[in-house]
Amino acid sequence: GENVEQHPSTLSVQEGDSAVIKCTYSDSASNYFPWYKQELGKRPQLIIDIRSNVGEKKDQRIAVTLNKTAKHFSLHITETQPEDSAVYFCAASKGGSYIPTFGRGTSLIVHP
Amino acid sequence: EPEVTQTPSHQVTQMGQEVILRCVPISNHLYFYWYRQILGQKVEFLVSFYNNEISEKSEIFDDQFSVERPDGSNFTLKIRSTKLEDSAMYFCASRGGYDEKLFFGSGTQLSVL
Repeated sequence: GENVEQHPSTLSVQEGDSAVIKCTYSDSASNYFPWYKQELGKRPQLIIDIRSNVGEKKDQRIAVTLNKTAKHFSLHITETQPEDSAVYFCAASKGGSYIPTFGRGTSLIVHP
Repeated sequence: EPEVTQTPSHQVTQMGQEVILRCVPISNHLYFYWYRQILGQKVEFLVSFYNNEISEKSEIFDDQFSVERPDGSNFTLKIRSTKLEDSAMYFCASRGGYDEKLFFGSGTQLSVL
């Protein structure tokens, strides 16, 4: 089955800095890659996603890049704010069932 | 914006007892899922459900687990005889038939004593 590795497990940045979270996946058939943000005690919320026919997608301060050849994808957050502090999960899934396999999560801490 | 709702938010039970976790998926969604998250760990897939039957399940989803859609709105997860290691946050999720996006409920924190 699919295996998703995510790094780093913890990321601490100063407000205004950029943050990058990286993930790799194992199944070359995976074609959909969502990112979820989970604040403490709350539900995972989809913040951005990318499909395998696209190399990059941007939404305001967040962007995701995908390298299909290397089977890795990354989340980039620019101009970080304290409210960006949360656990971020990457995931990979493929057509048919679209059951995402999650990475272990990155705890992002943005210091004011 | 429509949301997936789950009840109860917290459930405490004794080992060996049966529990039923309830979910109301987004109304026009067709695919339903249960995931669990042990404290500090990643979100793990349990089971997916479509057209009134299980479409996929993980190794975690053994004979102690079952799912049901008893009516047109509810989707339940039953654990027949709870174990200590079943303690986790259980998330329900649903997806429409038109794209890949999963929407999660706010979870039920299950504590088995």
